Amino acid sequence: SQQGEEDPQALSIQEGENATMNCSYKTSINNLQWYRQNSGRGLVHLILIRSNEREKHSGRLRVTLDTSKKSSSLLITASRAADTASYFCATATGTYKYIFGTGTRLKVLA
Amino acid sequence: DVKVTQSSRYLVKRTGEKVFLECVQDMDHENMFWYRQDPGLGLRLIYFSYDVKMKEKGDIPEGYSVSREKKERFSLILESASTNQTSMYLCASSFPVQETQYFGPGTRLLVL
Repeated sequence: SQQGEEDPQALSIQEGENATMNCSYKTSINNLQWYRQNSGRGLVHLILIRSNEREKHSGRLRVTLDTSKKSSSLLITASRAADTASYFCATATGTYKYIFGTGTRLKVLA
Repeated sequence: DVKVTQSSRYLVKRTGEKVFLECVQDMDHENMFWYRQDPGLGLRLIYFSYDVKMKEKGDIPEGYSVSREKKERFSLILESASTNQTSMYLCASSFPVQETQYFGPGTRLLVL
C-alpha cells in the first residue's frame, strides 16, 4: 500500500452533518496537506499542517495530526452540497516529492 | 491569487503522435510539477522542475519528457503517444518546494 492512504474511500452524508476523513502515512514528514478536487478539475489546497503542529483550523475545516500514529484527520463541519468533492492528503517528506493518497469521495446530500 | 493554466482541457490524439501539454503559472514560482491521475492510483509524479532548464524525474517518467525554457512555462511531451497514456494530466507550481502546490485545471487526454 502507498503512503498517504485516505479512509474511507467514499462517504455520503446529509447537508448540515459533519464529515470526517482520515489519512495514514508511513514515513517521517515535514508537513501534511489536504486538497479538494471537484469532479474533473484540478486540486485546490485546503490546509497545511506542519509536523510540529497537532491541530489547525480554517473556517469549517479542522485538521489534526498525530505523528506518533502517522495519521491525520480532516473534519468538515456543517457540510454543504458544495462540499461534494474528492479529498486528498499529501505528505511532504523533505525532498521535492509530495506523496498523494487515492482520496476520499465525499457526497453531501441536500 | 496564483493562477496556473493548462493549454487544453480535453485532447484526443492517435497512437504514435507527438503530444505537447503546456502549463503556465503567473506567480514566479521556481518549482513546477507534472502529474498524471488515474482512478485508484491517485496522483503520480512524472517530472519536477526546480528552475529554468532544470528537471528531475518523478516516479513514472518513462515515455515522457519535459521542457522548461522560461520560468513560467513547463511543457510535458509525449514523444510517441500510446493508449496507456490516456489519463488526466495535472500541472502544479509551488514556492518553496515543499509548501502549498497550486494546480491547473487539468488536461484529460485520450489516446486512440
